[in-house]
Amino acid sequence: AQKITQTQPGMFVQEKEAVTLDCTYDTSDQSYGLFWYKQPSSGEMIFLIYQGSYDEQNATEGRYSLNFQKARKSANLVISASQLGDSAMYFCAMREGWGSTGKLIFGQGTTLQVKP
Amino acid sequence: GAVVSQHPSWVICKSGTSVKIECRSLDFQATTMFWYRQFPKQSLMLMATSNEGSKATYEQGVEKDKFLINHASLTLSTLTVTSAHPEDSSFYICSARPGTSVPDTQYFGPGTRLTVL
Repeated sequence: AQKITQTQPGMFVQEKEAVTLDCTYDTSDQSYGLFWYKQPSSGEMIFLIYQGSYDEQNATEGRYSLNFQKARKSANLVISASQLGDSAMYFCAMREGWGSTGKLIFGQGTTLQVKP
Repeated sequence: GAVVSQHPSWVICKSGTSVKIECRSLDFQATTMFWYRQFPKQSLMLMATSNEGSKATYEQGVEKDKFLINHASLTLSTLTVTSAHPEDSSFYICSARPGTSVPDTQYFGPGTRLTVL
């Protein structure tokens, strides 16, 4: 069964508008971490934001925020005030357990295109 | 901080040859490094996890003898694709995890594009 699901293969957003990228996960662990990475066409993976399963507040990093709904097992990424440079592929990932190997399981990715 | 480099950034080789890819953590010590493979427009597939000074742990379906991983020091891991064939052509990305960071974020290298002719 897919542990990380990103149901939006592609998304369009107008420049300066906000966009939400969906991510749902499946785990029986109580302790886990959720990550979002951005991959531009150059291929590098850029870490954006992290949410721990015990964190009560939603994580925020500049224009990025993570809408964490634990009961629904969702960890959506919200990008505010989209910029042309935000056009890229975005991956949601989960690390199960703490002090484990730290393996990340990635979703299928969402390609975001920002329109001028 | 938290910079990971990979070398080479791209390589073209003939079928049957071996290719070595280096992954270095430049400003931190990485107790664990990971190697991923990515096909165009697809997600990252974890190939193996390597810890300094011990044997790598390979994911199911990944041939250990074909993809040799050596984590020689706390800042260097290498992936050698032995007897490469065209189906090994892919984008290979490494990541490194600082032992003491909170959260235990992985930092990725820029990737290596391998083309086997």
